[in-house]
Amino acid sequence: AQKITQTQPGMFVQEKEAVTLDCTYDTSDQSYGLFWYKQPSSGEMIFLIYQGSYDEQNATEGRYSLNFQKARKSANLVISASQLGDSAMYFCAMSQYGNNRLAFGKGNQVVVIP
Amino acid sequence: DTAVSQTPKYLVTQMGNDKSIKCEQNLGHDTMYWYKQDSKKFLKIMFSYNNKELIINETVPNRFSPKSPDKAHLNLHINSLELGDSAVYFCASSQDPGGLNGYTFGSGTRLTVV
Repeated sequence: AQKITQTQPGMFVQEKEAVTLDCTYDTSDQSYGLFWYKQPSSGEMIFLIYQGSYDEQNATEGRYSLNFQKARKSANLVISASQLGDSAMYFCAMSQYGNNRLAFGKGNQVVVIP
Repeated sequence: DTAVSQTPKYLVTQMGNDKSIKCEQNLGHDTMYWYKQDSKKFLKIMFSYNNKELIINETVPNRFSPKSPDKAHLNLHINSLELGDSAVYFCASSQDPGGLNGYTFGSGTRLTVV
């Protein structure tokens, strides 16, 4: 079974600072994808960034970057220059070919303070 | 144009009633999903359909019955609603069952059973 672990409690971040959200995963497969989603208080699930297991470079999307350490099975999300609008719940998720689903971690709550 | 649209956005109903949630995607994806987000924000897959065929049916009560009339639609019907069914239900789609090309989520349906 897929297992995604996000253990950090709720985090308060100063505006304009960077924040790192931890995610570790457990799989014996070689082919998989790692995703981060943002869920603001309005409730929608917003895709942020994707890392394929065979990608050699860390994924980046604007202020979001994924620190992928395959041997340690970690896929931490880094948000640079935090903005008030970054306050949300953040979910790490994994997909494995043949497993036909996206498995989610329990999420990290982030609050950006001015 | 909304990629994955689900209706209604909010649904308040009494115990014992039967209700349906509709989902449509205009992305041309082959695979659609229903996820349930509980009060602790944990997201768990319920069902997955690929080209109208059921490929995942997690441990979900028989009162929940998905229906896929075509690959662009996946509806969720719930019979004899119970208090514990209160949750946010998300529809999602992906290009293929492996989902390694990404998942797109609808905006969610908040179901409240009273």
